[in-house]
Amino acid sequence: ETGVTQSPTHLIKTRGQQVTLRCSSQSGHNTVSWYQQALGQGPQFIFQYYREEENGRGNFPPRFSGLQFPNYSSELNVNALELDDSALYLCASSLVPGDTQYFGPGTRLTVL
Amino acid sequence: QKEVEQNSGPLSVPEGAIASLNCTYSDRGSQSFFWYRQYSGKSPELIMFIYSNGDKEDGRFTAQLNKASQYVSLLIRDSQPSDSATYLCAVPGNQFYFGTGTSLTVIP
Repeated sequence: ETGVTQSPTHLIKTRGQQVTLRCSSQSGHNTVSWYQQALGQGPQFIFQYYREEENGRGNFPPRFSGLQFPNYSSELNVNALELDDSALYLCASSLVPGDTQYFGPGTRLTVL
Repeated sequence: QKEVEQNSGPLSVPEGAIASLNCTYSDRGSQSFFWYRQYSGKSPELIMFIYSNGDKEDGRFTAQLNKASQYVSLLIRDSQPSDSATYLCAVPGNQFYFGTGTSLTVIP
């Protein structure tokens, strides 16, 4: 167990809807990174937050947004869902950016 | 942008054999390298990381790093059916850059 939790486990949405995914990092870990993993692919970096500030962003459109809170929890919000957003969404926490990342169990999002 | 390349496989080995998984990376300045294991439908779990050239052993796992060749590998000795999974190589920068993973099947 990594001590990183995510909710919900599974989610089904329809195209055009909005979704919020949640993550709780290990206590003391100031950094959270979010990844999207499509079937058969490696995790793709969405963005990272360090001490509640965005600390880097991958090649994802602005409809992917996030927040990090002082209590080591964070959110990934996706607006205007598209079919291609169907994937496993992973959060990973680390002490500081670049340090070992520990993954949560993931949220499986299906967009119909 | 760091690129990480892995042979997607699938790689099949008999139980008890040595499985060898390979990874190459593009950024010569990369200093550390991570191996994660991912079972089907689950999230990646850390196996080990390596910083220095040479070998690093942890139980049945050995990571090998050759910075001159920009090559890192993972050896699994005495492979077990429970080792059947996808193995991801990752290189940290501002983010973790992952390869596409190598699928390993250990045949009983």
